[in-house]
Amino acid sequence: KNQVEQSPQSLIILEGKNCTLQCNYTVSPFSNLRWYKQDTGRGPVSLTIMTFSENTKSNGRYTATLDADTKQSSLHITASQLSDSASYICVVTSYGGATNKLIFGTGTLLAVQP
Amino acid sequence: DARVTQTPRHKVTEMGQEVTMRCQPILGHNTVFWYRQTMMQGLELLAYFRNRAPLDDSGMPKDRFSAEMPDATLATLKIQPSEPRDSAVYFCASDPQGTGELFFGEGSRLTVL
Repeated sequence: KNQVEQSPQSLIILEGKNCTLQCNYTVSPFSNLRWYKQDTGRGPVSLTIMTFSENTKSNGRYTATLDADTKQSSLHITASQLSDSASYICVVTSYGGATNKLIFGTGTLLAVQP
Repeated sequence: DARVTQTPRHKVTEMGQEVTMRCQPILGHNTVFWYRQTMMQGLELLAYFRNRAPLDDSGMPKDRFSAEMPDATLATLKIQPSEPRDSAVYFCASDPQGTGELFFGEGSRLTVL
C-alpha cells in the first residue's frame, strides 16, 4: 500500500534554532517527492521537489534531502524565523503511466516561538 | 501574479442545503484537483480533471457530491444535500503539466450546522 508517514507530528522550537522534519514513504513506482508549506488558513505552497537522482536541494533556509534506497526524505530548516510556523507536508508522486498519483503525508506542525 | 481563485472563502449552511464551491485554475494549467482537508484526515483527494475530462473521482461520496468542469476556466464542486460531516476546508489546485506540481487556492471553509 502506498503510504507517506511524517514525523514528528508537531514540533516547537525557539526562534533562531535549526530543526529537521522527516518523511518516510512506501510508494512505487516513485516519480518525485515534494515538500509543501501550509500557513494557517492558506493553501499549501511548494518548497522543493526531489527526483530519484537528487540527494539534496536547497531553497533559501530550507534544505531537503532524499535517500531513494531507504525511501526517506528530510526537510532541514536553518536559523528558524517566526514566519516558519506552519504545517509542512510531504507529497510523493507515483508515476502510473498516463496518470500520476499523489500520496500525501499528514504533515508536521511547526511552531517557532520568540 | 497567476493564482488559483476559489469562492466562497467561507460558507456556513444548514444540514440539507445545497453547497456549490467554485474554482478558477491558473490559465493554461491542464489538470485540476479538488481536495478536502480536515484535522483528522489531512488532505484527501476528491476528484481531478485533465483537459476538463474527469480522471478520478473515487474519493468522492457519489450520492451527494458532484464535480464538473464546464470550461477551462471554471471547476465546480457541489454537495447536495450537505451534512455536518462535510464540514472541512475544500481546496482546489491546478497543475501545469500533470506532473504533480500543484498550485493551491486559498480554500473554501465549509461549516454545516
